Amino acid sequence: DAKTTQPPSMDCAEGRAANLPCNHSTISGNEYVYWYRQIHSQGPQYIIHGLKNNETNEMASLIITEDRKSSTLILPHATLRDTAVYYCIVSPAGSYQLTFGKGTKLSVIP
Amino acid sequence: GAVVSQHPSRVICKSGTSVKIECRSLDFQATTMFWYRQFPKQSLMLMATSNEGSKATYEQGVEKDKFLINHASLTLSTLTVTSAHPEDSSFYICSAGLAGRKITDTQYFGPGTRLTVL
Repeated sequence: DAKTTQPPSMDCAEGRAANLPCNHSTISGNEYVYWYRQIHSQGPQYIIHGLKNNETNEMASLIITEDRKSSTLILPHATLRDTAVYYCIVSPAGSYQLTFGKGTKLSVIP
Repeated sequence: GAVVSQHPSRVICKSGTSVKIECRSLDFQATTMFWYRQFPKQSLMLMATSNEGSKATYEQGVEKDKFLINHASLTLSTLTVTSAHPEDSSFYICSAGLAGRKITDTQYFGPGTRLTVL
């Protein structure tokens, strides 16, 4: 079973920031938080991952709370191409283990 | 970097025939490859994990004699669905893990193969 909880769906206006929450209250000390997204009928795309510090790359920012029990993925300027299902996954370091839950279906609206 | 391809992208076959799907890591070597299956409106479910040169490890409930996996090289894994039936119709996705990886390296996914069994 997935160890994360995400809202089933969210809407975001084009050009605005999309903030996708994830609850992982049972996360262990050696588990990282990974985010992937899946655009319709495509394979999942890696976005970002982190352990306890906030992370940023060219796609998104990841904010992890100090107690590590939740995190937020931020797409700073959402576009229509960001419409996808976003998966938050916790995984032990070095295990390659990815268990996909139901994710959040993000709809970016013009 | 870290590009994974799959071939074919779509396949339609008759019930009882076998179908082979190829998964290739194009710009890196993959010691470990994974095969997932995704039914409509559902999430990805791991079917099996394969390491180069050894037998695949199948998840509970996945028939190893029906879903044959070969990982003969560091850049190629194949999934053969033997004696396919309509209930095997699904979206099959492979992924690959980098060889010589850092501890935080993760899986990189292919674009998927849509299998329809008539």
